[in-house]
Amino acid sequence: DAGVIQSPRHEVTEMGQEVTLRCKPISGHDYLFWYRQTMMRGLELLIYFNNNVPIDDSGMPEDRFSAKMPNASFSTLKIQPSEPRDSAVYFCASSFGLLLHNYGYTFGSGTRLTVV
Amino acid sequence: GQQLNQSPQSMFIQEGEDVSMNCTSSSIFNTWLWYKQDPGEGPVLLIALYKAGELTSNGRLTAQFGITRKDSFLNISASIPSDVGIYFCAGPKETSGSRLTFGEGTQLTVNP
Repeated sequence: DAGVIQSPRHEVTEMGQEVTLRCKPISGHDYLFWYRQTMMRGLELLIYFNNNVPIDDSGMPEDRFSAKMPNASFSTLKIQPSEPRDSAVYFCASSFGLLLHNYGYTFGSGTRLTVV
Repeated sequence: GQQLNQSPQSMFIQEGEDVSMNCTSSSIFNTWLWYKQDPGEGPVLLIALYKAGELTSNGRLTAQFGITRKDSFLNISASIPSDVGIYFCAGPKETSGSRLTFGEGTQLTVNP
């Protein structure tokens, strides 16, 4: 299995531009999570999906952030318009179920976003 | 905000030394997970603990689930340069069970 695949690995954009981050979860996994990592706040959960349905988006910073999962093999996280404070590493993770012995999320390699 | 407190924040050790780090919470956790993040990569699961008092090993790594269910520790024996990275504890809060909360991480540096 190729694991969780994220693209792009690096993104540099100007303030005000739209940014779209992409994620392909592991085939068969029914949960997908978007995390943001910064030095100040560590790993923060932004939103997660179960069977393509958003379950909890309380971690999404503000309306500029949106996430979709149109099918089981693809999800996007969009920031519009982007701001310098959005600069961070964004991780996608997936898992099979939330049963007691399935808490081991598999993370992608992340997208390092820099907004200038 | 973060619910898990990790210590120490960073460690600088010599190759061959043993390492110990811990994680505490004010809330009860029913699962503890330890992840390692290599530079430029996402976190990778090292050890999972599911029962209070459980002691689990994975090679040179040993982790324990505290009996109060509010703490866990991770030990690394005979450290090697490739142990460098950030180590995170994580766990689902008992009330939610559906989201992982991560500690702030312990940055480990191993000098050859």
